[in-house]
Amino acid sequence: KNEVEQSPQNLTAQEGEFITINCSYSVGISALHWLQQHPGGGIVSLFMLSSGKKKHGRLIATINIQEKHSSLHITASHPRDSAVYICAVRSTGSYGGSQGNLIFGKGTKLSVKP
Amino acid sequence: DTGVSQDPRHKITKRGQNVTFRCDPISEHNRLYWYRQTLGQGPEFLTYFQNEAQLEKSRLLSDRFSAERPKGSFSTLEIQRTEQGDSAMYLCASSSRLSNTEAFFGQGTRLTVV
Repeated sequence: KNEVEQSPQNLTAQEGEFITINCSYSVGISALHWLQQHPGGGIVSLFMLSSGKKKHGRLIATINIQEKHSSLHITASHPRDSAVYICAVRSTGSYGGSQGNLIFGKGTKLSVKP
Repeated sequence: DTGVSQDPRHKITKRGQNVTFRCDPISEHNRLYWYRQTLGQGPEFLTYFQNEAQLEKSRLLSDRFSAERPKGSFSTLEIQRTEQGDSAMYLCASSSRLSNTEAFFGQGTRLTVV
């Protein structure tokens, strides 16, 4: 079992739909990141969360520390939102590296059709 | 400073050849990470530098892999005697010395070993 699990793996939506991507983790964390990766490979940081909720434009990220779960929501989805969305946690232990290395989920591939 | 830059963006090499990638982090960031991402997977930690010191290496980093950050600024990742299994996207990220800050990613170097 991976330490960071995302669902769904693939998601196809019609333009305008409300989208939710889920992330569950099993390690102690100091922060959780939502990242966006376009086909060219570059990764952009969308949010860094340690509690509660953050909003940026049409994107909303929430985290429940007790349940070890986070969600990324996209309102009024648009074809330009098509990308892979990756959840990553910064561990409090030395898992996979020192000083709070990032542990990544496998990503959710989102396709938004016009 | 426009962010983390990686060079080259793409590299095709014959099996058995050596390759070297470069990462230039954001200038005031003292932490630098290398990750490897294979198709359909999330990034996996390879190694981590704080200034010029390589503090952690993943067991994924075989003896054929070596990374340096000689002056605590740019970093290089060298793969000797490349194998087809080394084909992947190699991502670099940097962050500041504060323990809970965002990591900023480069565009990645896509390696194809033929």
